[in-house]
Amino acid sequence: GAGVSQTPSNKVTEKGKYVELRCDPISGHTALYWYRQSLGQGPEFLIYFQGTGAADDSGLPNDRFFAVRPEGSVSTLKIQRTERGDSAVYLCASSRLGAPNTGELFFGEGSRLTVL
Amino acid sequence: KQEVTQIPAALSVPEGENLVLNCSFTDSAIYNLQWFRQDPGKGLTSLLLIQSSQREQTSGRLNASLDKSSGRSTLYIAASQPGDSATYLCAVTGAGGTSYGKLTFGQGTILTVHP
Repeated sequence: GAGVSQTPSNKVTEKGKYVELRCDPISGHTALYWYRQSLGQGPEFLIYFQGTGAADDSGLPNDRFFAVRPEGSVSTLKIQRTERGDSAVYLCASSRLGAPNTGELFFGEGSRLTVL
Repeated sequence: KQEVTQIPAALSVPEGENLVLNCSFTDSAIYNLQWFRQDPGKGLTSLLLIQSSQREQTSGRLNASLDKSSGRSTLYIAASQPGDSATYLCAVTGAGGTSYGKLTFGQGTILTVHP
């Protein structure tokens, strides 16, 4: 597609459930990023992929969070045993270039996760 | 650790005014700085990207400047319009240390332009 696509746009789940969020980056972009945005805050870095490998996962808050990008295109962010504090908008972005020469980032519209 | 601060947190102006949004960052070791716009419930739209070697970038009524050594950037919006109402976010890409390759965002400035 023309832009970064994220699904689902909204997800409501119960505490303790497992959730998967999907990101389809712009075709040809090698770098893919996941960010989390809480209400009234700027986005916070979670993980960065260069190709298929996670180049930097230092932003993942704990081991309940995991992300994959098996073929270097689509990525899935996985959250186990969800907690109410995981409620946020999860943003995906892609870039033609990766670190260190990170070019312009293009963001998707996000997946809004609500944990009841 | 890189920290980005945006001032003011919110701004309300009448249509037609020229305005300035401010962004400061604590670590001058950056590769670039981007200004984004975010409409309510939407993702981020990139407005301007300034490489660390550049001083400013312009797009239409928008002009962004970068003073890397002092850790500051400003976004200037000329002749503001109600359609400019949104949250404006500043973000820097780190060039070293724990910020390497990552975007660090400010909290944003909520802009309201009223007719």
